[in-house]
Amino acid sequence: RKEVEQDPGPFNVPEGATVAFNCTYSNSASQSFFWYRQDCRKEPKLLMSVYSSGNEDGRFTAQLNRASQYISLLIRDSKLSDSATYLCVVNLNFNKFYFGSGTKLNVKP
Amino acid sequence: DTEVTQTPKHLVMGMTNKKSLKCEQHMGHRAMYWYKQKAKKPPELMFVYSYEKLSINESVPSRFSPECPNSSLLNLHLHALQPEDSALYLCASSQEGTTFSAFFGQGTRLTVV
Repeated sequence: RKEVEQDPGPFNVPEGATVAFNCTYSNSASQSFFWYRQDCRKEPKLLMSVYSSGNEDGRFTAQLNRASQYISLLIRDSKLSDSATYLCVVNLNFNKFYFGSGTKLNVKP
Repeated sequence: DTEVTQTPKHLVMGMTNKKSLKCEQHMGHRAMYWYKQKAKKPPELMFVYSYEKLSINESVPSRFSPECPNSSLLNLHLHALQPEDSALYLCASSQEGTTFSAFFGQGTRLTVV
């Protein structure tokens, strides 16, 4: 079983739409959680960390449910520039970062 | 702008060649990583160095040999690679501990011919 599972998409949405991505992780000992964004042929870049209390950064909201081992990312008012692959990342323990397969988002005009 | 610098950006090598990938960071991070990424796949962890010591080797073939000369530098020595080793090799660094995120370099795109 994979450590981190994501719906690969693609999600094709119009500008201005709200879109949500989900991710599940298998190891209850996982310590910390992140969403990264990766543009085509570029390196992954940190979008936001995910906390149990939920956290928001502008149009982006991340949630963590430890009981269900579930992480989510909500993007409001989608922009063309949000088109990318969104990677769910789990730090298992002591520097073991594992990536989900990524969810591809296409925002259309 | 990334604060993790990788060289070269592109590399083409034959199966009998020996080459090295280099990574440098000046953020004071004590954990450094090598990841391999194939097209349309997520990055896969290869090696982790913690305080210049190899702490994790994810069963990587011995034709890949990591080295951490000091706290700012990480190398990946390549020897007798196969065409299926062609991929984007990403270096990353982070602070030590379980709550910190990792910062990635732009990667080296490796082609083995």
